[in-house]
Amino acid sequence: DIQMTQSPSSLSASIGDRVTITCQASKDINNYLNWYQQKPGIAPKLLIYDASNLGLGVASRFSGSGSGTVFTFTISSLQPEDIATYYCQQYDNFPLTFGGGTKVEIK
Amino acid sequence: EVQLVESGGGLVNSGGSLRLSCAASGFTFNTYNMNWVRQAPGKGLEWVSSISSGTNYIYYADSVKGRFTISRDNAKNSLYLQMNSLSAEDTAVYYCARGLVVGTTASAFDIWGQGTLVTVSS
Repeated sequence: DIQMTQSPSSLSASIGDRVTITCQASKDINNYLNWYQQKPGIAPKLLIYDASNLGLGVASRFSGSGSGTVFTFTISSLQPEDIATYYCQQYDNFPLTFGGGTKVEIK
Repeated sequence: EVQLVESGGGLVNSGGSLRLSCAASGFTFNTYNMNWVRQAPGKGLEWVSSISSGTNYIYYADSVKGRFTISRDNAKNSLYLQMNSLSAEDTAVYYCARGLVVGTTASAFDIWGQGTLVTVSS
């Protein structure tokens, strides 16, 4: 199984800060990497697919990059509504696997 | 409006069974692969199972293999998850989710239902 290691597990940042989350795959997954946002009590929302493609209707302050085993998710300017937990997910191979999540809070 | 609505969750005793349903609307259901993803209380997301548009390809997580069965009825625009031999470790919110790309076996999950809670009492 492909292990997805996300870091950090939590972070605290100020409004307007640039926020970066890293996801490392245990083997090469090409660009088959997605990012989701989940707010408490609500289903996850797709933000980035195929490592760097913005999901439908997703704000342009969200971006993703990377290929192979190391991927980065960035919020260019943190907004209050971005408080949530973020997950990466690989679909290069079954079983599909998620990272452990990164909880983003406001400082 | 593109929508997925799960139902069938509830409280069940350990060793019992439950069947979840997911009703799809607003899109051509029979062209998309469909998936189940669960989330235990306070925990992260865990992929459970996937089924291709024509049911040719079916996959399960090791944690549910042999106990859960995914199926779909394209005529009814519905996805199902039959869960048998349930244990406390299966307690979670279960989400159905649509695969992003038509005709593929796996891709991102672009549409999610609201989730249905399954609680297994030991």
